[in-house]
Parts: sequence; structure tokens; C-alpha cells
Amino acid sequence: DAGVIQSPRHEVTEMGQEVTLRCKPISGHNSLFWYRQTMMRGLELLIYFNNNVPIDDSGMPEDRFSAKMPNASFSTLKIQPSEPRDSAVYFCASSFGGGNEKLFFGSGTQLSVL
Amino acid sequence: SQQGEEDPQALSIQEGENATMNCSYKTSINNLQWYRQNSGRGLVHLILIRSNEREKHSGRLRVTLDTSKKSSSLLITASRAADTASYFCATRGSGGYNKLIFGAGTRLAVHP
Repeated sequence: DAGVIQSPRHEVTEMGQEVTLRCKPISGHNSLFWYRQTMMRGLELLIYFNNNVPIDDSGMPEDRFSAKMPNASFSTLKIQPSEPRDSAVYFCASSFGGGNEKLFFGSGTQLSVL
Repeated sequence: SQQGEEDPQALSIQEGENATMNCSYKTSINNLQWYRQNSGRGLVHLILIRSNEREKHSGRLRVTLDTSKKSSSLLITASRAADTASYFCATRGSGGYNKLIFGAGTRLAVHP
């Protein structure tokens, strides 16, 4: 299995631009999570999907952030417009079950907003 | 907000020594998990211990859980340079869906 695949690996953009991060979960997994990691705040859960349906988006910082999961094998996290404070590593993770088991993480997208 | 708090924040040891990391949490849990993160990489699951378990082993890893003290420890025996990484505990609350909340992590450096 290829594991959770994220793209791009690195993204550098200018303030105000739209950023789209992509994730392919492990085949057969029905739960998908987007996390953000910063030195100041550590790992924060942004949104959780179960069977392609958003279950918990309470961690999405503001309306500039949106996430979709159009099918079981693909999810996107979009930031529009981006701001320098959005600079972080964004991780996608997947699991099998209702979110109570172990997570498999992708390698992350390092986002820098200038 | 972070549920788990790891201690120490950083640990530096020599190869062959044991490394112990501790995690404290605040509310009742369904399970507690430990993850490792190598620099520039994603987190890798190490071990999951449920609230009704007290100890689990996996290779050189030993995890204990004390629900009365709301604490857990991760012991890595006979450490290797390849164990150099950050280690995170993560807790999942009890009752229905609850977020997996990560602590700030312990940075472990194992010197050859």
C-alpha cells in the first residue's frame, strides 16, 4: 500500500492567493482527517470526514478555510485568501473505523505564505 | 486545546540507554496513543492502549497507563540513533466520537 498521499509536498505562495492541498487516503479507509502543525500551537485537528461526510469541522479556523471530500479516495483543503499566519505543515490522515483507531498520516504539505 | 502534556519537552541520551517519556491528560479517555515523528515527516503510529489496559509492549516499546493519575509513560529500551525523533501522546475521549488530541511532544535525541 502506498500510504496516505499528499500533494504538493511544499507550497510557497503570496498573501491573498488561493491554496489547494490534496490528499489521497489509504484505500478502504473510511475516516479522513486534516491536521495543521505549527511550533506555537502543535497539532490541531481542522476537520474530520467519515464516509465522505464532514463530521467535525469545529477546528477550521475561519471561513477562508474549506474542505471537501467528493469521493472515498480524494480530499482537498482550500485556503482562500491565504495569509502569512496560515504558514504551517498540513497533514492528512486516514483510518478505518469510526475514528477511534490509529491514524495513518501522510508526509504533509509545508505551506509558506509570504 | 491540548489534552495531553508530554514531559520532558526534550531528552538527550546515549545509544543503549533507555528513554522514558511521560504524558498527562485531563479528562477521561477511551484510549491513548503514542506516535513518532521524524524530522520533516508525518506521524507514525507506535502503540494504542485502551482505558481498561494498564500495560502494553511492542518490540522495544513499553507503554503504561494509569487512569487514576491520568498519566501514561512510553519506555524505549536499548535506544538507537534511529530512535531520534519527536514522540507524541494523543488521547481520545470516552463516549461517541471524540477528537484525537495531541500533546506538544517530546524531542528525543539519541547520540551514537
